Amino acid sequence: EVQLVQSGAEVKKPGESLRISCKGSGYIFTTYWISWVRQMPGKGLEWMGRIDPSDSYTSYSPSFQGHVTFSADKSIRTAYLQWSSLKASDTAIYFCARHGSVSDAFDMWGQGTMVTVSP
Amino acid sequence: QSVLTQPPSASGTPGQRVTISCSGSDSNIGSNTVNWYQQVPGTAPKLLIYSNNRRPSGVPDRFSGSKSGTSASLAISGLQSEDEAHYYCATWDDSLNGPEFGGGTKLTVL
Repeated sequence: EVQLVQSGAEVKKPGESLRISCKGSGYIFTTYWISWVRQMPGKGLEWMGRIDPSDSYTSYSPSFQGHVTFSADKSIRTAYLQWSSLKASDTAIYFCARHGSVSDAFDMWGQGTMVTVSP
Repeated sequence: QSVLTQPPSASGTPGQRVTISCSGSDSNIGSNTVNWYQQVPGTAPKLLIYSNNRRPSGVPDRFSGSKSGTSASLAISGLQSEDEAHYYCATWDDSLNGPEFGGGTKLTVL
């Protein structure tokens, strides 16, 4: 079964660092880009950027450039999203999503990771 | 504020046909294909329509998509209670060099 499984919910304080993960299975992990998508409480979807797991090439949305970092370890089929200094405004659900091979659509999504940043 | 404009809400009764619009510009919808996602509350989004009008395996043919110029539409026929969800359009944005999402439409089945 093709799936993306994300790490569990996190509760952090402002200024703390965090790394969440997204593990792919059931397909050749290095063949498909992985994007990260943010959903703030009660809001819509925002594309944060993407990583190519084959060579870790990254592309960031200007809205997120400099505040988050994407990485990937293809040996364990896992992509990561990390923050060095969280803010309260980072409170959101974060989804990883696989870019399809036929189009630019996201054909597979992780279940989401809820990140809560509170003093 | 998204560059793709969707109505915030839509509604219909079981069995009805509803349409959800998505309006963009030459730099996004006008020059790229449109995808649609369904998000049931509390779950991850799911791909519903890709490349304007194609359905992934497993998506019922009650769902259909179309595009004309800088606008696109999602149509749902034979509305069912389980169709109650948020629907998002998305397309590649050349200036962003990535996908842009619409603001989403909450569909209520009355």
